[in-house]
Amino acid sequence: GAVVSQHPSRVICKSGTSVKIECRSLDFQATTMFWYRQFPKKSLMLMATSNEGSKATYEQGVEKDKFLINHASLTLSTLTVTSAHPEDSSFYICSAGSSYEQYFGPGTRLTVT
Amino acid sequence: DAKTTQPPSMDCAEGRAANLPCNHSTISGNEYVYWYRQIHSQGPQYIIHGLKNNETNEMASLIITEDRKSSTLILPHATLRDTAVYYCIVRYSSGGSYIPTFGRGTSLIVHP
Repeated sequence: GAVVSQHPSRVICKSGTSVKIECRSLDFQATTMFWYRQFPKKSLMLMATSNEGSKATYEQGVEKDKFLINHASLTLSTLTVTSAHPEDSSFYICSAGSSYEQYFGPGTRLTVT
Repeated sequence: DAKTTQPPSMDCAEGRAANLPCNHSTISGNEYVYWYRQIHSQGPQYIIHGLKNNETNEMASLIITEDRKSSTLILPHATLRDTAVYYCIVRYSSGGSYIPTFGRGTSLIVHP
C-alpha cells in the first residue's frame, strides 16, 4: 500500500516552545491529509483536516491558533504545536489517501517538559 | 455517521483463529465497514474493508451479516505479532474524502 511518513518520530521540547511535525505522502499526491492525536490508552481523536492550498478545517474544541496546519504541497502537511505545554504531550498521527482508503503515518511522540 | 460497538478486550492462543466482533446497527446502505489495527506506539494499519459481501485478503477475512448490522474480523492463525488494538470503523465521508473516526476498539492479546 501507499506510504505516509512523519518526522520526527519523537521530540522532547520545553514548555513554551513550538514544535513542527511533518507528514509526507511518499508515493502519491494528497490534496487532503488528516491529523489525529492519541493520549495513552485512548483512541485516536481527529484534530483537523489539512487541505492543500487552503485553510485547514478544525474539529470542535481544537484551537486553530495553537495547532497551526500548513499544507503547501500535494505531498507535505505540517502541524506546528505553538507555545507547547505539558498537557500537549501526546502521540500525533497523520493520514492521507483517497475517497476509499486512508494510510497512516507512524506517529510522532511529543513530550513537553 | 454510524457508530460501532466492540468488546474492549479479547485474548487468543497463538495458532488459533481470532474472531473479533463489531456491531454497527445504524449503518446506512452505502457505508462500508473498515478494519484497522494499531500495534503499540505505531500508526494504524489498514486490514480489510467490505460493503455487503464477505471479503478475504492475505491478512484476514471479514464476515458481514446479511442485515449488515454486525461484522466479524477473522485472523485465521493468530501470531504473537497480531497483538494489537483492532478498530472497526464505518466509513464517514465529507465532501468525497473518507475520514476514519475511531472508537475504543478491541485490545487483542495473543498468548503462547
